[in-house]
Amino acid sequence: DAKTTQPNSMESNEEEPVHLPCNHSTISGTDYIHWYRQLPSQGPEYVIHGLTSNVNNRMASLAIAEDRKSSTLILHRATLRDAAVYYCILSPSGGGADGLTFGKGTHLIIQP
Amino acid sequence: KAGVTQTPRYLIKTRGQQVTLSCSPISGHRSVSWYQQTPGQGLQFLFEYFSETQRNKGNFPGRFSGRQFSNSRSEMNVSTLELGDSALYLCASSLVTYSYNEQFFGPGTRLTVL
Repeated sequence: DAKTTQPNSMESNEEEPVHLPCNHSTISGTDYIHWYRQLPSQGPEYVIHGLTSNVNNRMASLAIAEDRKSSTLILHRATLRDAAVYYCILSPSGGGADGLTFGKGTHLIIQP
Repeated sequence: KAGVTQTPRYLIKTRGQQVTLSCSPISGHRSVSWYQQTPGQGLQFLFEYFSETQRNKGNFPGRFSGRQFSNSRSEMNVSTLELGDSALYLCASSLVTYSYNEQFFGPGTRLTVL
């Protein structure tokens, strides 16, 4: 399965936008890009996912590069509640033996 | 709509025992996946069930098994418990598949093996 590369940690200030990068240079044409986050002492929480086009929802935006080898999760106005580990995950459209493969993710720190 | 529920939330067992964990998915969701989370290995996929059939399986020994009932509720069983099985076990449900549907995770069952 295709792998993703994310920075170990990032820091941002409250009420500012946050751009979380993800590289997935071996992505295949049918792989979906998912983002999940995990707050301390909670199960993972879905954030957003997309295939080729940029996606927006009430939580965030997902910007996908034209060649699909990278993507960026955008939190438009970070709050303290957004401090979490953010996972960028690929999944083949037909499912796969590995389920959703969660890597180490990016630990996002929000400063007040 | 009620979220994914898991029971029990905490469990303490001793080596060699077996354990059964339960998961109730969101109403209408037919796919249920199980994950193990440990500090060292992170989140690892155990298996996925859809319409009472195991559809995908991760790289875990046969001591880990599961099943899904006709109402989509799922159970996972771990036999002959080992110390290394101590972990947070998470259940997640999707409408059809985790591949292109969002997954909703439960709060997890914290298993401690002594």
